[in-house]
Amino acid sequence: KAGVTQTPRYLIKTRGQQVTLSCSPISGHRSVSWYQQTPGQGLQFLFEYFSETQRNKGNFPGRFSGRQFSNSRSEMNVSTLELGDSALYLCASSFSVNTGELFFGEGSRLTVL
Amino acid sequence: EDQVTQSPEALRLQEGESSSLNCSYTVSGLRGLFWYRQDPGKGPEFLFTLYSAGEEKEKERLKATLTKKESFLHITAPKPEDSATYLCAVNTGFQKLVFGTGTRLLVSP
Repeated sequence: KAGVTQTPRYLIKTRGQQVTLSCSPISGHRSVSWYQQTPGQGLQFLFEYFSETQRNKGNFPGRFSGRQFSNSRSEMNVSTLELGDSALYLCASSFSVNTGELFFGEGSRLTVL
Repeated sequence: EDQVTQSPEALRLQEGESSSLNCSYTVSGLRGLFWYRQDPGKGPEFLFTLYSAGEEKEKERLKATLTKKESFLHITAPKPEDSATYLCAVNTGFQKLVFGTGTRLLVSP
């Protein structure tokens, strides 16, 4: 069974640009959540989607947005990039709702110059 | 505010030297406490879920326990392949996990 797939794995952007990250969940998983991981703050919740609906959102500015498609694939977008957005962005999927048992991808490492 | 604190930040053990990692938490309504393992360059890997005080879960050399205020991850006779960062998290609803900053474990042969 294929795991959670995230693309791209690595990317470099400059301040002010925007970026779109993609996540394909495990087949049959309908919940997709996104986390930002930095050395200083650790893992921080961005948002969660289930059946194309955002059910929960973390404390991030409006520059961070996401969506989920009917096939459960998800994308997140960061506009007007800042240096502090440099991080590992992790996507996770789960089969059951609200279990906390998440299956993470390997992440997309974003560097903002 | 929901909060998770892990200690120690880093731990170095000799192969076979047992120890415990601590996770203390404050949460308005516990919907589960979770342990994950993260290897360098990888996403976290789920290990255990604990729901109520007194509950214990075991997997190979790892055993997780839960009280009303904290959880422990006991590592018995660790091997070098157990080296990783161990993350503790609580579920605050709709898959929103609040993570601790982790314990970096290094097991030397």
